[in-house]
Amino acid sequence: DVKVTQSSRYLVKRTGEKVFLECVQDMDHENMFWYRQDPGLGLRLIYFSYDVKMKEKGDIPEGYSVSREKKERFSLILESASTNQTSMYLCASSLLASGRGTTQYFGPGTRLTVL
Amino acid sequence: GIQVEQSPPDLILQEGANSTLRCNFSDSVNNLQWFHQNPWGQLINLFYIPSGTKQNGRLSATTVATERYSLLYISSSQTTDSGVYFCAAVSYNTDKLIFGTGTRLQVFP
Repeated sequence: DVKVTQSSRYLVKRTGEKVFLECVQDMDHENMFWYRQDPGLGLRLIYFSYDVKMKEKGDIPEGYSVSREKKERFSLILESASTNQTSMYLCASSLLASGRGTTQYFGPGTRLTVL
Repeated sequence: GIQVEQSPPDLILQEGANSTLRCNFSDSVNNLQWFHQNPWGQLINLFYIPSGTKQNGRLSATTVATERYSLLYISSSQTTDSGVYFCAAVSYNTDKLIFGTGTRLQVFP
């Protein structure tokens, strides 16, 4: 079975702090994704990566950056956390690009609260 | 881009009842998935079904690609089926998985 893990289930940070959210997958998948989920807005794509050191902006990249130094690990970085970044963050991975017809597998999520 | 709409937004059932959840999409798709988000927030893959019919235990799904909709059937519902069910699709001219807003299911004993 595919396993996607995220470094924390719950995280509380203060405004202005630099925040790192880590995601690791164990199935040698090429593609990894970061989403945020908010009530009434559903899941929205922040960034994705098709390969090591490669990144693409999703629909809401402002205020975020990402890093993919190794194939199995994809990090989401909040350079200076703000209260409007309080949300549920979900990482996913897939073997192929979504447009080539492949399943995305999700991690358990990180509930981030910014005070 | 593609629009994904789900209905109904909320569903309340008694244990043992059957239900049908619907997903409409606005463009041809080469990727359609159904997920269940449990009360702890975990998104669990149910089906990868861009076309045709699949069954897994009490759950089955059918996608009619030519008419741009997919249905998720839950039979003999159990309290553990509670949560939010999401449909997500990718159209042919993009690589992004677009999610619907979900159907919140509550199953009571």
